[in-house]
Amino acid sequence: QVQLQESGPGLVKPSQTLSLTCSVSGGSISSGSFYWNWIRQPAGKGLEWIGRIYTSGSTNYNPSLKSRVTISVDTSKNQFSLKLSSVTAADTAVYYCAREKVLWFDMDVWGKGTTVTVSS
Amino acid sequence: DIQMTQSPSSLSTSVGDRVTITCRASQSISSYLNWYQQKPGKAPKLLIYAASSLQSGVPSRFSGSGSGTDFTLTISSLQPEDFATYYCQQSYSTPPYTFGQGTKLEIK
Repeated sequence: QVQLQESGPGLVKPSQTLSLTCSVSGGSISSGSFYWNWIRQPAGKGLEWIGRIYTSGSTNYNPSLKSRVTISVDTSKNQFSLKLSSVTAADTAVYYCAREKVLWFDMDVWGKGTTVTVSS
Repeated sequence: DIQMTQSPSSLSTSVGDRVTITCRASQSISSYLNWYQQKPGKAPKLLIYAASSLQSGVPSRFSGSGSGTDFTLTISSLQPEDFATYYCQQSYSTPPYTFGQGTKLEIK
């Protein structure tokens, strides 16, 4: 059974870069059947899709964040990562990683989420 | 971007009730519509994909229907564990994927 686990600093200073990693266990991230996504949720608010990566390295980003986002994959470690630059308080949220199936593009496996606070 | 609008935003309901949540897309998304359940402090859980396909392990009291722009999630007989927030999500067009604003089911 595939499981995802987010990790990274819980506190980031304004203007710095937020860096998170999602570790995949119970399956290979190199499987061609899935995309790997990042989604975030500010406290008390809805879900915002950040972007995704395919094992080939091909990426798609939310245009609202595209200038600040980089998603990468490390198949040797079975991980994928998120970098969000020039953060502000508006980037404070719970960040989730999720697996997306390539047929109907539904996200069937999610990590538990990690809270990132942007504050000096 | 494709906008997803859910209604109602919240619903006060009772155990045993039949509940219907609607989701409308700002343009046709065929059947590329997914439903998620989220409980406080937890990650979203996939319930329905492709508008009407039940995710493995999800109870059969959950069902989805619709295509094009109008979709519904129905819970045939509400159970105590179903009180949560429900989100629809379109996966027709990326970037970006977009979610509805959520529907919170509360105990009457």
